[in-house]
Amino acid sequence: DVKVTQSSRYLVKRTGEKVFLECVQDMDHENMFWYRQDPGLGLRLIYFSYDVKMKEKGDIPEGYSVSREKKERFSLILESASTNQTSMYLCASSPAGGRDYGYTFGSGTRLTVV
Amino acid sequence: GDSVTQMEGPVTLSEEACLTINCTYTATGYPSLFWYVQYPGEGLQLLLKATKADDKGSNKGFEATYRKETTSFHLEKGSVQVSDSAVYFCALSGSAGGTSYGKLTFGQGTILTVHP
Repeated sequence: DVKVTQSSRYLVKRTGEKVFLECVQDMDHENMFWYRQDPGLGLRLIYFSYDVKMKEKGDIPEGYSVSREKKERFSLILESASTNQTSMYLCASSPAGGRDYGYTFGSGTRLTVV
Repeated sequence: GDSVTQMEGPVTLSEEACLTINCTYTATGYPSLFWYVQYPGEGLQLLLKATKADDKGSNKGFEATYRKETTSFHLEKGSVQVSDSAVYFCALSGSAGGTSYGKLTFGQGTILTVHP
């Protein structure tokens, strides 16, 4: 069964901490994405990557960075966590030219910043 | 730019009722269209898709038809079950041409609750 795996389902971090959210896919997909999901705001794209070491800003990149050192792994980094970054974070992947494919999503990480 | 507008929720139905969740889109060219479902505490799962006009996607009793003339992709089910309670997202994938990397544009989501 093809998978996108997010390392944690639930995380609680303190304000000011550096936080790493990890995502691994086993489908050899070129594209990977990070979204956050908040009630009433839907899904908002933070960053995406279309190749190793390549990254593009999404709609709300402020306060976040990403790393893609290997094709299968895409990490989201909160440089200094703040309470307004409390959210559900969703990772997804798709193949190159995946316009007709859509995404495969991970199960999500619910992050609480206190 | 591309956009997706979904029917406002939440939607509450009794078991075996008919379901329609409206979805309309704005896009240049010919996007691919998707419905995703999110069960409580989970990520999103692909429910069905259609990649060209007049295509019908179907899965688990759900159906949606790609209507280019009305720019719509409404989700329908003839008889819902309690287990269908979830959040449903309509999405489109950027039209051909340009560098979209298969990015999806999502609607806001519609919460469906089905009572026994």
